[in-house]
Amino acid sequence: DGGITQSPKYLFRKEGQNVTLSCEQNLNHDAMYWYRQDPGQGLRLIYYSQIVNDFQKGDIAEGYSVSREKKESFPLTVTSAQKNPTAFYLCASKGSVATTEAFFGQGTRLTVV
Amino acid sequence: GDSVTQMEGPVTLSEEAFLTINCTYTATGYPSLFWYVQYPGEGLQLLLKATKADDKGSNKGFEATYRKETTSFHLEKGSVQVSDSAVYFCALSDQNRGSTLGRLYFGRGTQLTVWP
Repeated sequence: DGGITQSPKYLFRKEGQNVTLSCEQNLNHDAMYWYRQDPGQGLRLIYYSQIVNDFQKGDIAEGYSVSREKKESFPLTVTSAQKNPTAFYLCASKGSVATTEAFFGQGTRLTVV
Repeated sequence: GDSVTQMEGPVTLSEEAFLTINCTYTATGYPSLFWYVQYPGEGLQLLLKATKADDKGSNKGFEATYRKETTSFHLEKGSVQVSDSAVYFCALSDQNRGSTLGRLYFGRGTQLTVWP
């Protein structure tokens, strides 16, 4: 079945460490997105990519990095520069027409210990 | 820039009550509009969508009409169930300009709790 897979579901990070969250899709979608969700704040866009080897910063890109070497993969690295990384992270993908909806993964809950 | 504003809630209703969650948007083009639902600990699922003015999206008893004159896309359901308890997000996808897919814009989400 087509869909988006995020892994791991739960992730624990020590302060000062970088961690990478995986996002893979087999929907043949061009666009992929990373959102951060905090209680009461909705979804905030971190990075998005509309094509392989290209990506743009969203509203809260500081302390994060991404790559888009393959169409189906869009990993997010949470660096030590991100001062408050504990959150729920959601990956999404979208087809090449503006009228199509985005599909979401099940999310990764990152906790700093 | 483009944005979405929705009623923040929380909204608490009894089973079989009528539901309205307000959503208004700001966009320079002709966006597509969406409602997503999120159950605890999960990602977002598409509930319904509308791609042009006066379109009505519907699914599982929920409805929303794309009103360009009032820039609104309010979510309604005539009789809610306990199983409808979730967080609801209004969203827009801005117009596809040439090869640009643009980005998605989400409201802050509305927590709905339905009591039996």
